[in-house]
Amino acid sequence: GDSVTQMEGPVTLSEEAFLTINCTYTATGYPSLFWYVQYPGEGLQLLLKATKADDKGSNKGFEATYRKETTSFHLEKGSVQVSDSAVYFCALNTFNDMRFGAGTRLTVKP
Amino acid sequence: SQTIHQWPATLVQPVGSPLSLECTVEGTSNPNLYWYRQAAGRGLQLLFYSVGIGQISSEVPQNLSASRPQDRQFILSSKKLLLSDSGFYLCAWSPGHGGTEAFFGQGTRLTVV
Repeated sequence: GDSVTQMEGPVTLSEEAFLTINCTYTATGYPSLFWYVQYPGEGLQLLLKATKADDKGSNKGFEATYRKETTSFHLEKGSVQVSDSAVYFCALNTFNDMRFGAGTRLTVKP
Repeated sequence: SQTIHQWPATLVQPVGSPLSLECTVEGTSNPNLYWYRQAAGRGLQLLFYSVGIGQISSEVPQNLSASRPQDRQFILSSKKLLLSDSGFYLCAWSPGHGGTEAFFGQGTRLTVV
């Protein structure tokens, strides 16, 4: 079945460092891809999305490009802030089925 | 606009007691509905999803069941809770045409003691 594999955490960075969280997927169809963020004790919030190959999703300085040739959707940010500390989930949706990766905990230190 | 409500926010239940968590969606019709569980420090496990009233797909055999008595209502139940049922339960919905993002409730923290 469809699945998502994302980089294991935790990831600890200093403020203003560059962030990459890797995500690869396996899907039989043509999925839409997403990154979600979860702050402590809360539900998940959509961070960005891409619905077809070569699309770039972006939001709040985060970016991810839908790479069909490498089946990847890596999350990047050029300069992280303390407020970016959270758990990040990569996800895909084909037809009516939402699948998530295991999540990557990011901690940004001042 | 669409909103999703999930309650209660926290719940402490003894082993062997029943469970009922409720989720409702407003502002849309015929949504896809999902129940996920997140164990401490772990990822999201899809438990059930539903594409319509009375249509429930179960992802894993377990002590839980789900029902969808109305179009925008999704209920997670158990007849007898186990310690291993503890976790953070999340309800979500997505538009019923596939390939789109899901929108999450605030979650229920269940502790079985």
